[in-house]
Order: sequence, then structure tokens, then C-alpha cells
Amino acid sequence: GNSVTQMEGPVTLSEEAFLTINCTYTATGYPSLFWYVQYPGEGLQLLLKATKADDKGSNKGFEATYRKETTSFHLEKGSVQVSDSAVYFCALTVNTGGFKTIFGAGTRLFVKA
Amino acid sequence: GAVVSQHPSRVICKSGTSVKIECRSLDFQATTMFWYRQFPKQSLMLMATSNEGSKATYEQGVEKDKFLINHASLTLSTLTVTSAHPEDSSFYICSADDRLAGAREQYFGPGTRLTVT
Repeated sequence: GNSVTQMEGPVTLSEEAFLTINCTYTATGYPSLFWYVQYPGEGLQLLLKATKADDKGSNKGFEATYRKETTSFHLEKGSVQVSDSAVYFCALTVNTGGFKTIFGAGTRLFVKA
Repeated sequence: GAVVSQHPSRVICKSGTSVKIECRSLDFQATTMFWYRQFPKQSLMLMATSNEGSKATYEQGVEKDKFLINHASLTLSTLTVTSAHPEDSSFYICSADDRLAGAREQYFGPGTRLTVT
């Protein structure tokens, strides 16, 4: 089946620390991979995406590389800011007779000043 | 970029009443819209997939008679929670699929917080 597993949170970091949030997936076919961010009280926003193996998605200092050999799409940022505090969701989209998006459980990030 | 709106953003209703939530794609045509439910501090649970002009496809365990979905046009889908009860209180989020986006990217609405008293 199709599923997304991401590291449990919460993750607490100091400002300017390095961030990694692990995400692995299982999928039939060739999924597109996404990271979404949800700020408190808001809906989801697309952070970055990758549509095929070895693609690197990047945005606002965040990046993730589509690794087919390890079925992973880990999110990284070199220096986090307080404003990055949010919940991050890894997701994949597959065509199962219609496109469907599967979300991971979400990882809450707290960044301290 | 593509924008999806939801209305209302917050609604409080009494137990037993029905509530309608609208989801609109503002600057693109959405062949498919999705309705999700999110419990506090949890992930999104797909409730149903709504295709313009046809009946919605509900996920297992979602009551189709309780959560009525209508997708009458390429820019509007509605979710009606019928005979709402306190356990229906949740954050409901819709998303729309831009038919021209090759990566099947979904654009999410800001969500509607429903509280049933």
C-alpha cells in the first residue's frame, strides 16, 4: 500500500541550529513527494516538492531530495529561525485510479530564541 | 499562485443542526476537490474526493449521509455536516487539484473550524 512515515515530534531547536526531519515512504508506482507546513491556526501551505528520483525541492532555505533507493524525502534547513516554528507534513501523491495524497502524521517544530 | 478559499473560517452551531462549508478555487479550475478532517495535533484524514459533476467518493468509515458533498462547478465544492453532534467538532480543510499542474499539486484552503455545542 501507500504510506508515509515521518519522525515523531516535537522537535525543539535553538535559533540557527540545523534541522532534519526524516520522512520515508512506501508507494505503488511513482509518487510525487511534498512537504507542507502548517502554522498555528492555519491551513496547509506547500513548502516544496519533487516529482522524480534525485530531484531536489527547495524553498525558504528548506530542501529535500527525492531518494528512490532509500524511499526517503528528508527535510533539512541549515539555520532555523523562530518563525519556522510550525507543524511539517510529508506527503506523497499517487495515481490509484485517481490522484490521492497520503500525509504523514506531522512533526511539530519549536524554535527557541 | 493558485488560491483556494473556504467559508466560513469558523462556525459554532447547536447539536442537531446542519452546517454548510464552501470551498472555492479562485483563479483556476479544479477538476477534483478533496475534503479532509484534522483533529487537534493530528494529521489530515481524507474524508472524500469530489469530482465536478459526479458523486463524491468517500473513504472507508466516513458516513456519506452525514457528510454531504456537492461539486456543482469547477470552482465550488460544498461540504454539509448534517445533524451535527459535538463529536463532529473539528478542523475541516479542503484542497483543489489544478488540472494543469503536472505534479498533481494540491492547493489547500485555510480551513474551517467547526464547533458543535
